[in-house]
Amino acid sequence: AQSVAQPEDQVNVAEGNPLTVKCTYSVSGNPYLFWYVQYPNRGLQFLLKYITGDNLVKGSYGFEAEFNKSQTSFHLKKPSALVSDSALYFCAVRDSSSASKIIFGSGTRLSIRP
Amino acid sequence: NAGVTQTPKFQVLKTGQSMTLQCAQDMNHEYMSWYRQDPGMGLRLIHYSVGAGITDQGEVPNGYNVSRSTTEDFPLRLLSAAPSQTSVYFCASSYGGGRQETQYFGPGTRLLVL
Repeated sequence: AQSVAQPEDQVNVAEGNPLTVKCTYSVSGNPYLFWYVQYPNRGLQFLLKYITGDNLVKGSYGFEAEFNKSQTSFHLKKPSALVSDSALYFCAVRDSSSASKIIFGSGTRLSIRP
Repeated sequence: NAGVTQTPKFQVLKTGQSMTLQCAQDMNHEYMSWYRQDPGMGLRLIHYSVGAGITDQGEVPNGYNVSRSTTEDFPLRLLSAAPSQTSVYFCASSYGGGRQETQYFGPGTRLLVL
């Protein structure tokens, strides 16, 4: 069975500093990995995904994520945080052999202070 | 395109009542899913469908039924509501085949069971 873990409930970063939101996963086959963002009282919005190819994936709003197969990780990063990045971030995984069954992590609340 | 729409936006039920949460998409997506979001638990998959007439159980299917008679609609039925089903419910859809990785989420239905 596939699973995903986000070990930090909250991450606090000063504006302008780099940020990292951690995610680790477990699947039996090849992983398809995703990051979504949720703003207050809204649905989830897609940020980026890793299917195959380059381990560094670039997505929306200046975010990027690095796929590390040996560490089974897919951490979300941004070189310079903005206050507007404050939101709830979800990592998700799908086993390549399991169509449509995408499993989400518990979420990490990112807070950027001015 | 309206994308993924959900009705109602908010609902209050008494224990034991039944209701149907509606979900519709106008993007001709094959895959549709229902999630519930609870504090500290992220999104948990309830049921999903890979096409009209095909449904399957997710992580937390008990107490919920689904059907998929058309590509566009994927209603979620609560047969006998319980306080434990108080949550925010999100419907999502995505393409099939090799494009199903990115999910599009509806705005959510907030359900309170007294």
